[in-house]
Amino acid sequence: AQSVTQLGSHVSVSEGALVLLRCNYSSSVPPYLFWYVQYPNQGLQLLLKYTTGATLVKGINGFEAEFKKSETSFHLTKPSAHMSDAAEYFCAVSASGGSYIPTFGRGTSLIVHP
Amino acid sequence: DGGITQSPKYLFRKEGQNVTLSCEQNLNHDAMYWYRQDPGQGLRLIYYSQIVNDFQKGDIAEGYSVSREKKESFPLTVTSAQKNPTAFYLCASSMSPGATEAFFGQGTRLTVV
Repeated sequence: AQSVTQLGSHVSVSEGALVLLRCNYSSSVPPYLFWYVQYPNQGLQLLLKYTTGATLVKGINGFEAEFKKSETSFHLTKPSAHMSDAAEYFCAVSASGGSYIPTFGRGTSLIVHP
Repeated sequence: DGGITQSPKYLFRKEGQNVTLSCEQNLNHDAMYWYRQDPGQGLRLIYYSQIVNDFQKGDIAEGYSVSREKKESFPLTVTSAQKNPTAFYLCASSMSPGATEAFFGQGTRLTVV
């Protein structure tokens, strides 16, 4: 079984401030982890993913995330927020060696203030 | 351009009517998925298919049906048995049931009146 918990349904930051969106996962086998972004009334777009290897992964638009096995976490960060980053962000997990069906968290809405 | 096409983008239906949402992909992906999205609940899996002519129920399959007669197509029917069908529906596909990411369509917003 696998699950994802995103801490905070809404995160509010000022433009230029650090963005930190939290994701914790549960998986009985080594996980594959993903972050997606969704703009209003659109589908999801992949930001970054972790499968194996380097635990710090870089994605599009300046985002990065670090896989921490001991903490079962995969938090998403960006050093400096832009207004265009305002969107809904979803963390997802799929299990290696299993059916690979991705399970999504409930999402975090990022609000960026001028 | 390769991608996933969902149609229509907006759909209105009267209560008690069945409705079919279209999902087509030209990415040559084996696996396809249907998710339902409601505010504050994230994405919940309705059905998935890992190969043509085979599909499996997800977490919230009641009141829905699917078919997978062709690799590129995975239509979802919302039946009158679905008690609360108004939602945003997302179709996705992945290269195989493996470690690759899912690619998403633009979604269909279904409103039942």
